[in-house]
Amino acid sequence: AQTVTQSQPEMSVQEAETVTLSCTYDTSENNYYLFWYKQPPSRQMILVIRQEAYKQQNATENRFSVNFQKAAKSFSLKISDSQLGDTAMYFCAFMSFTNAGKSTFGDGTTLTVKP
Amino acid sequence: DAGITQSPRHKVTETGTPVTLRCHQTENHRYMYWYRQDPGHGLRLIHYSYGVKDTDKGEVSDGYSVSRSKTEDFLLTLESATSSQTSVYFCAISLGTGSSYEQYFGPGTRLTVT
Repeated sequence: AQTVTQSQPEMSVQEAETVTLSCTYDTSENNYYLFWYKQPPSRQMILVIRQEAYKQQNATENRFSVNFQKAAKSFSLKISDSQLGDTAMYFCAFMSFTNAGKSTFGDGTTLTVKP
Repeated sequence: DAGITQSPRHKVTETGTPVTLRCHQTENHRYMYWYRQDPGHGLRLIHYSYGVKDTDKGEVSDGYSVSRSKTEDFLLTLESATSSQTSVYFCAISLGTGSSYEQYFGPGTRLTVT
């Protein structure tokens, strides 16, 4: 079974600065998908960024980018130019390539952006 | 936004009573999932479905059953609710293949078992 670990329960950053959230995972599979989801106080889960394990290039979406290190099984999220609206809980998630039912989430990191 | 609705959105029930939560999608996605979210535990998979009448267990399936008789509906049933099942329940959907494998989530159902 795969596991996903987010070692930072809480983090804070000043507005306009950069912050990196950590995620490590463990799996015996070679191909899989990784995601970062955001959950603001509204409780709605929002997809931030996704990465296919077979792609070496790190995914980027506007101010959000990942550092995917497959050998180290690490998948960190970098948020640049942090905004107050980025305040939320962030979840790292794993999905099997061969069975989309195998989905595992980390316990989350609560990020607070300070003005 | 993906067309996913959950009903009810809030429910309070007593220990020992049966409870059914409904997830409805309008996206014709193959995969549907039920998660529970508790403080300090992120989202934990209860059950998932990969087609009509095709379901499988997740990591916390004890005390829960599911059914999917139509592509658009995925029901989660607590046969005899316990206080440990007090939680926020999320439904999610996914194509599970091709270029669109990410999960989209419903708004959640807050269930309180007294």
